[in-house]
Amino acid sequence: QQKVQQSPESLTVSEGAMASLNCTFSDGTSDNFRWYRQHSGKGLEVLVSIFSDGEKEEGRFTAHLNRASLHVSLHIREPQPSDSAVYLCAMEGFASALTFGSGTKVIVLP
Amino acid sequence: EAAVTQSPRNKVAVTGGKVTLSCNQTNNHNNMYWYRQDTGHGLRLIHYSYGAGSTEKGDIPDGYKASRPSQENFSLILELATPSQTSVYFCASGDLGGSAETLYFGSGTRLTVL
Repeated sequence: QQKVQQSPESLTVSEGAMASLNCTFSDGTSDNFRWYRQHSGKGLEVLVSIFSDGEKEEGRFTAHLNRASLHVSLHIREPQPSDSAVYLCAMEGFASALTFGSGTKVIVLP
Repeated sequence: EAAVTQSPRNKVAVTGGKVTLSCNQTNNHNNMYWYRQDTGHGLRLIHYSYGAGSTEKGDIPDGYKASRPSQENFSLILELATPSQTSVYFCASGDLGGSAETLYFGSGTRLTVL
C-alpha cells in the first residue's frame, strides 16, 4: 500500500514570510502529485498539480517534485491570513485514486 | 462550474443501523470516489467507481458497500454502522491521469454513530 508522509504537522508563519511544506512517498511508481487546501469545515481545493520532476508554479503556490528522492514540496509565497488552512499532498495511484498525506495545519499570523 | 453534491450534510445514526450517504455529480466524470477523513490520517479511500455499474474496493473497504447506479450518482452504504465509522466522508469525481488536472470534491458529510 502506498504511503505518503507529510511534515510538519503544523506550521505558524507571519504574513509575508515564505511557508514550506513537505511530503515523502513510499515508492516512485506514481507520476502525478497534487497539493490541496482545506479551510476549516470545507471541502478540498486543488492548488497545484505536478507531473514531472522540477518546479510548477500556480500563482503564489510553487510545487517541487524530486522522484529520485521520493519528495514533493509546496512553497507558499507571501502567505496571507486567508491562507490559514490544512494543506494536503496527494499521490495518484491505480485507477487515478489519490493517496493523501495526513495534512499540515498552516496558521498565518497578521 | 463542476459540481459534486453530497447528502445529507450531517447524520446521526445508532450502532447497528443502516446508513446511506449519497453523492451526485454534474461533471459527466467517469470516476467517482468515497473517502473518509479522520484526524491524524488525512483522507483514506474507501471505494471508487469507473462508471455506472462498477464499484471497486479502495484502501479501507471493510464495513462499507458502494453503489453506482448511474453516471451521476454514487452511494456509500454502511449496512451495520459502528462507532468507529464516525467520521467526515467526502465524495469526489474526476477523470484523472496524465495531465488531467482536477478531482472535484463535495463539501462532506459528517457522520456520528452512537
